[in-house]
Amino acid sequence: EAGVTQFPSHSVIEKGQTVTLRCDPISGHDNLYWYRRVMGKEIKFLLHFVKESKQDESGMPNNRFLAERTGGTYSTLKVQPAELEDSGVYFCASSLGRGRAQYFGPGTRLLVL
Amino acid sequence: KNEVEQSPQNLTAQEGEFITINCSYSVGISALHWLQQHPGGGIVSLFMLSSGKKKHGRLIATINIQEKHSSLHITASHPRDSAVYICAVSNYGGATNKLIFGTGTLLAVQP
Repeated sequence: EAGVTQFPSHSVIEKGQTVTLRCDPISGHDNLYWYRRVMGKEIKFLLHFVKESKQDESGMPNNRFLAERTGGTYSTLKVQPAELEDSGVYFCASSLGRGRAQYFGPGTRLLVL
Repeated sequence: KNEVEQSPQNLTAQEGEFITINCSYSVGISALHWLQQHPGGGIVSLFMLSSGKKKHGRLIATINIQEKHSSLHITASHPRDSAVYICAVSNYGGATNKLIFGTGTLLAVQP
């Protein structure tokens, strides 16, 4: 069974540009989470999907971030326009249900110059 | 103050030593998670526990709900155990099951 995959693995963009990160959860996992680690800080929650619905987006930093999960399968996280402070590692995780273990993807390393 | 605190932040050990990493939390939880991230690697879940103790190979995780404290022990440490160990908590009684993370403990085991 394939694990959680994320694309791209790395992205280097200039301030003001747009970047779209993709996450493919484990097949059958209805719950999908986005997290972010900014340099030197702990990993922080961004948002949670249950199927295609946003269950909790309390961690989204501002309206430059837009997450979607069309059809309840893969998810995208778009940052537009990117700012320097958006640099970090973006992790996606999925789980079979609430209260179940979360499985993490390898992360996307985003550098905004 | 973070809701999840880990100590120590950095730990260097000699191969074969017994290692303990501590985690304290200040929020109500349904489960506590220990995660591992090797340099350049992804995050792997080691344990998810809500009470007592769990053991997997040379790794042991304990939790004391009353004291809001958990420990991760590594017996007979080996250089391949070198990684960042992260404590996280979840509360799935609410609307979501988001994880709240500690800052991690960077462990280096020297041969």
